[in-house]
Amino acid sequence: DGGITQSPKYLFRKEGQNVTLSCEQNLNHDAMYWYRQDPGQGLRLIYYSQIVNDFQKGDIAEGYSVSREKKESFPLTVTSAQKNPTAFYLCASSVGQAVEAFFGQGTRLTVV
Amino acid sequence: GIQVEQSPPDLILQEGANSTLRCNFSDSVNNLQWFHQNPWGQLINLFYIPSGTKQNGRLSATTVATERYSLLYISSSQTTDSGVYFCAVDWMDSSYKLIFGSGTRLLVRP
Repeated sequence: DGGITQSPKYLFRKEGQNVTLSCEQNLNHDAMYWYRQDPGQGLRLIYYSQIVNDFQKGDIAEGYSVSREKKESFPLTVTSAQKNPTAFYLCASSVGQAVEAFFGQGTRLTVV
Repeated sequence: GIQVEQSPPDLILQEGANSTLRCNFSDSVNNLQWFHQNPWGQLINLFYIPSGTKQNGRLSATTVATERYSLLYISSSQTTDSGVYFCAVDWMDSSYKLIFGSGTRLLVRP
């Protein structure tokens, strides 16, 4: 099936630990994105990547890191520097700029 | 930066009723999308509509780019329409940034 796969669906971590969220797509899309959603809120952009080996900070990049070594994959690491990491994280991809974007099913991260 | 405002923030309907959701944006955009977020958090693509009018079953959308707004119409609403509806825009002054409004939370009662 073509689409965007995020794993895991639910993730629990202790405070102070780094954690990596996976995002894989088989749509042959060039652009990939990470968003964060807090309860009752809209989505805010963390990082985005237009092509392999290149990525840009979004509006709330502090405490997060990404890599884009393969076209299909765009993992997000939530570091211990992120002050309030508990949230719903959504990954998206698109063919390019100003075209339709599609989302994965999300990962709910809870830090205790 | 660009502002994206959605109204109303909350809407409660009886099954079978019609509704109109609005999205206003403060600057020119390359792209506008409407999404439905279901109770499990999945974002479902409804419309990719930078301008003009589109229809898909009971849903339709209109974007008037020159006046910087878009409308989502839901007719004969069903309980499965419940959830949050988001409008997102790709701002002309940015690259690859899809910026979201805060959403309209819809509850359809049987």
